[in-house]
Amino acid sequence: DQQVKQNSPSLSVQEGRISILNCDYTNSMFDYFLWYKKYPAEGPTFLISISSIKDKNEDGRFTVFLNKSAKHLSLHIVPSQPGDSAVYFCAASALGDYKLSFGAGTTVTVRA
Amino acid sequence: ETGVTQTPRHLVMGMTNKKSLKCEQHLGHNAMYWYKQSAKKPLELMFVYSLEERVENNSVPSRFSPECPNSSHLFLHLHTLQPEDSALYLCASSQQGLATNEQFFGPGTRLTVL
Repeated sequence: DQQVKQNSPSLSVQEGRISILNCDYTNSMFDYFLWYKKYPAEGPTFLISISSIKDKNEDGRFTVFLNKSAKHLSLHIVPSQPGDSAVYFCAASALGDYKLSFGAGTTVTVRA
Repeated sequence: ETGVTQTPRHLVMGMTNKKSLKCEQHLGHNAMYWYKQSAKKPLELMFVYSLEERVENNSVPSRFSPECPNSSHLFLHLHTLQPEDSALYLCASSQQGLATNEQFFGPGTRLTVL
C-alpha cells in the first residue's frame, strides 16, 4: 500500500516561471516530510524538509507548504531554472521511525 | 572520498552469476539502507542496518543477501537473480536518534540481469 503519492509523473515549465510539485500522504502518523532531487546517473540529494509543527519552510528559491488536514504538501520553485530539471521525490516519516516512505517522483523539465 | 560511495556503478550479470554490490559511507552515520528503484516506481526499502544490526528486511527474496561488517560498509550479495531484478540499487546512510530523518544517498548501481 503506497502511503505517499505523487500523482503528476511529469511537469514542464518555462524558465523563470514557478514550478509547483504536489504530494499526498495517507498515514496520519507521518510528521516529517522531505523533498529529494535526483539527476540521471546520480543518487537522490536532499533538498528541503518540513516538520508537522510548521506549515511552511523556505530555503532560497524552494518553499515547501504543508496542509496537515488535507494530508498534502507541495514544493514551489521560484524562479525555475534549467538546472532544476530533474526528478523530485517526496518522502515522509513518523516520529522516531528511521524509515522513509517515498513517492514515485515527478520529472520536472524547465524549458529555456 | 566524501558522502556515500557505491561500486560498481554499472553491473551486467547472468542469472547464474554471483556478484556483490558495495557501499561505503564517510559521514560517521550509524544506520545504512539498501533501496531498489525501478522505473516510475517509488524507492523500495530492502534492508536497514542500525549499529550493524539488521533491523528491517522487507520481504526481500533470499537471492539478495546483505552484509554489514561495520558501521561504514554495507554489501549486497546477489545470486541467481531474475531479469525482473534489473533496477537501480541505492545505498543510503543516516544518523538515527536525531529529530530529522534525512538520509544521504550514494549514486547507485545500475544492475542489468540477462
